Amino acid sequence: AQTVTQSQPEMSVQEAETVTLSCTYDTSENNYYLFWYKQPPSRQMILVIRQEAYKQQNATENRFSVNFQKAAKSFSLKISDSQLGDTAMYFCAFMKRNTGNQFYFGTGTSLTVIP
Amino acid sequence: DVKVTQSSRYLVKRTGEKVFLECVQDMDHENMFWYRQDPGLGLRLIYFSYDVKMKEKGDIPEGYSVSREKKERFSLILESASTNQTSMYLCASSFLDRGVSYEQYFGPGTRLTVT
Repeated sequence: AQTVTQSQPEMSVQEAETVTLSCTYDTSENNYYLFWYKQPPSRQMILVIRQEAYKQQNATENRFSVNFQKAAKSFSLKISDSQLGDTAMYFCAFMKRNTGNQFYFGTGTSLTVIP
Repeated sequence: DVKVTQSSRYLVKRTGEKVFLECVQDMDHENMFWYRQDPGLGLRLIYFSYDVKMKEKGDIPEGYSVSREKKERFSLILESASTNQTSMYLCASSFLDRGVSYEQYFGPGTRLTVT
């Protein structure tokens, strides 16, 4: 079974600063996807960024980028120029390719952006 | 935009009642999922479905059942609600492309309280 670990239950960052959320995972698979999801206080989960394991290049989406270290099984999320709207719970998720069905989520990191 | 809707945002039921949670998606997605979200535990998969009338157990199916009679609708059923089923329930859907699912799209969630 796959496990996803987020070791930081809570974090805070000053507005406009940069913060990094960590995520590690355990798998014997070689072909998989990794995701970061954001859940604002309104509770609707939305996708932040996605990374295919076979791609060495780290994914970026505007102020959000990842540091994907496949050998270390690490997938951290960096948020640059933090904004108040980034305050949310962030979940790391793993999806095994070719099963097409099951995601494995971490326990989440609650991020607070301080004005 | 993909839209996933859930029948109720908040629900209060009594122990022993039969409870139906409804989820509808409007993007013709093949896959649909039910999760429960609890603090410190992240999202845990209850059941999923990859086609009409098809269902698969997730990690915590005990005490739950599901129904998928139409492609757009996936129902979660608590046959006899218990207090330990008080939780946030999230529905999600995803597109199946050549056997590989992509990111999941989430509904707003249903906060169920069983008294």
